[in-house]
Amino acid sequence: KAGVTQTPRYLIKTRGQQVTLSCSPISGHRSVSWYQQTPGQGLQFLFEYFSETQRNKGNFPGRFSGRQFSNSRSEMNVSTLELGDSALYLCASSLATSTDTQYFGPGTRLTVL
Amino acid sequence: AQSVSQHNHHVILSEAASLELGCNYSYGGTVNLFWYVQYPGQHLQLLLKYFSGDPLVKGIKGFEAEFIKSKFSFNLRKPSVQWSDTAEYFCAVNMDSNYQLIWGAGTKLIIKP
Repeated sequence: KAGVTQTPRYLIKTRGQQVTLSCSPISGHRSVSWYQQTPGQGLQFLFEYFSETQRNKGNFPGRFSGRQFSNSRSEMNVSTLELGDSALYLCASSLATSTDTQYFGPGTRLTVL
Repeated sequence: AQSVSQHNHHVILSEAASLELGCNYSYGGTVNLFWYVQYPGQHLQLLLKYFSGDPLVKGIKGFEAEFIKSKFSFNLRKPSVQWSDTAEYFCAVNMDSNYQLIWGAGTKLIIKP
């Protein structure tokens, strides 16, 4: 079974731009979670989607948004990029419930200049 | 605020030594508990999880963890580490099954051959 894939793997943007990251979950998984990983903060939860509905959202500003499509693929968008948005963005998929194992993708490394 | 603490950010051990990594969380309600591991150059992957039943859970590669509710702890143990256990270990907690994982800052474990 193919794993979680994320595209692109690397991105370089400048302040003020916007960016869209994509995540394809494992086949059959309906839940997708997004995390921001930085050396100082560790993994911070962004949001979780299930069947095209956001079930929970972390403490990030409204510049961070996401969506999920009917095939469970998910995208996250960051508008008006700031230097502090530089991070590794991880996507994880799971079957459905909060006790299910999350399977992680390789991440998208975003650098904001 | 709900939080997860991992007491040691860096641990260096020799092969065959015993390992215990601490994890504490601040929440008095129902929790689901996870340990994830990231080996060098690999994705995050599940080591073990607890959501009910026997508080002593066994995971892959000889790891185990014990949930002690009265201490709000979920410490990871391995009786005899190997060089291949060199990795970063993360404790994560889901509180009240709300589809959000809160993560500890991680512990970097280095095993000297």
